Amino acid sequence: AQRVTQPEKLLSVFKGAPVELKCNYSYSGSPELFWYVQYSRQRLQLLLRHISRESIKGFTADLNKGETSFHLKKPFAQEEDSAMYYCALSAISGTYKYIFGTGTRLKVLA
Amino acid sequence: DAMVIQNPRYQVTQFGKPVTLSCSQTLNHNVMYWYQQKSSQAPKLLFHYYDKDFNNEADTPDNFQSRRPNTSFCFLDIRSPGLGDAAMYLCATSGGGGAAEAFFGQGTRLTVV
Repeated sequence: AQRVTQPEKLLSVFKGAPVELKCNYSYSGSPELFWYVQYSRQRLQLLLRHISRESIKGFTADLNKGETSFHLKKPFAQEEDSAMYYCALSAISGTYKYIFGTGTRLKVLA
Repeated sequence: DAMVIQNPRYQVTQFGKPVTLSCSQTLNHNVMYWYQQKSSQAPKLLFHYYDKDFNNEADTPDNFQSRRPNTSFCFLDIRSPGLGDAAMYLCATSGGGGAAEAFFGQGTRLTVV
């Protein structure tokens, strides 16, 4: 069965420290992977997708098919990065299904 | 200029009393999703539509139904809400295609009393 795993419920880092939010997936086909973010009192929104290979707000994520991982990284955390981050998997078996991980709450401390 | 709108934001219903949650979109997207999210858990996909083609998840209880009368609107009907159905319900849309972005509404928080 398809599954997205985010092992950390909470990650606290100091401002300026590097951040890595872990995501592992289970899917035998070609995955489409995403990171979504939810800031306080806002709706869930796309942060980045692996196919775009872009850096958004200083965040990057690399798809590692060998390790079935899609970890989110940022070299220098900022206080405004504090939010809930969800890893998601789509394009499952030719469908439009989206499956989400349980999320990691990132707290950036001053 | 909200693109996916869910009404109401907060809904209180009585145990066993049918309730309907609504979602509308201005994006003209083919795909609409309903998710259930309980505290500290992942959003759980209940079902999704591609146009009028309905796709139910195998583990979605029969108590949950959905209607999509047109492209813009989608409804979630809970026929006999139980205490365990209290949750945040999220509606989302996408244009289709594997790497398409999903756009979410603000959610409806359902309380069952």
